[in-house]
Amino acid sequence: NAGVTQTPKFQVLKTGQSMTLQCAQDMNHEYMSWYRQDPGMGLRLIHYSVGAGITDQGEVPNGYNVSRSTTEDFPLRLLSAAPSQTSVYFCASSYLRGGNEQFFGPGTRLTVL
Amino acid sequence: QQQVKQSPQSLIVQKGGISIINCAYENTAFDYFPWYQQFPGKGPALLIAIRPDVSEKKEGRFTISFNKSAKQFSLHIMDSQPGDSATYFCAAISGYSTLTFGKGTMLLVSP
Repeated sequence: NAGVTQTPKFQVLKTGQSMTLQCAQDMNHEYMSWYRQDPGMGLRLIHYSVGAGITDQGEVPNGYNVSRSTTEDFPLRLLSAAPSQTSVYFCASSYLRGGNEQFFGPGTRLTVL
Repeated sequence: QQQVKQSPQSLIVQKGGISIINCAYENTAFDYFPWYQQFPGKGPALLIAIRPDVSEKKEGRFTISFNKSAKQFSLHIMDSQPGDSATYFCAAISGYSTLTFGKGTMLLVSP
């Protein structure tokens, strides 16, 4: 099992550019989520999904879009990147039962100039 | 508003000492309290977790103490080692809702 994989590991964008952060898991987890991590701010939930075709907003959803067409994949789209979106992004997955262990990917470090 | 408050922000402990990280929560519906450990350049990973029906859970050198009436829980790392140097996050969840994380504690264990 590869677990949770994320690509790319690093990315530099210019303000206004768009891009998609990829996330995939091979554990057949129903629940997938995206977090951003900023110094002193902890992990903040951007969007999450409880299954294919179902997504919902987290704490900081503005500027980000998601879709979930398969159980395995949960891409995060930045439509028009802003410097405030400079951060480290983590994807996580788990079984859909409250309290189950969330497995995190290795992260994508994004810089927006 | 922050539903899980974590302290301290950073902590330096000598090798062999006890590291203590504290968290407080507001939502009495929370029913699962995990701690995650994150090494530099890596994603967080589950370290240990507790449910509110017990007051303490121990796994090796790591212990969670839980005080339901005070709405507080803490992580104790006994005999702290340089390899324990990492960022630690407490978190809480209720039912099928999403995890709420504390802001993290950077632990440095000096040799």
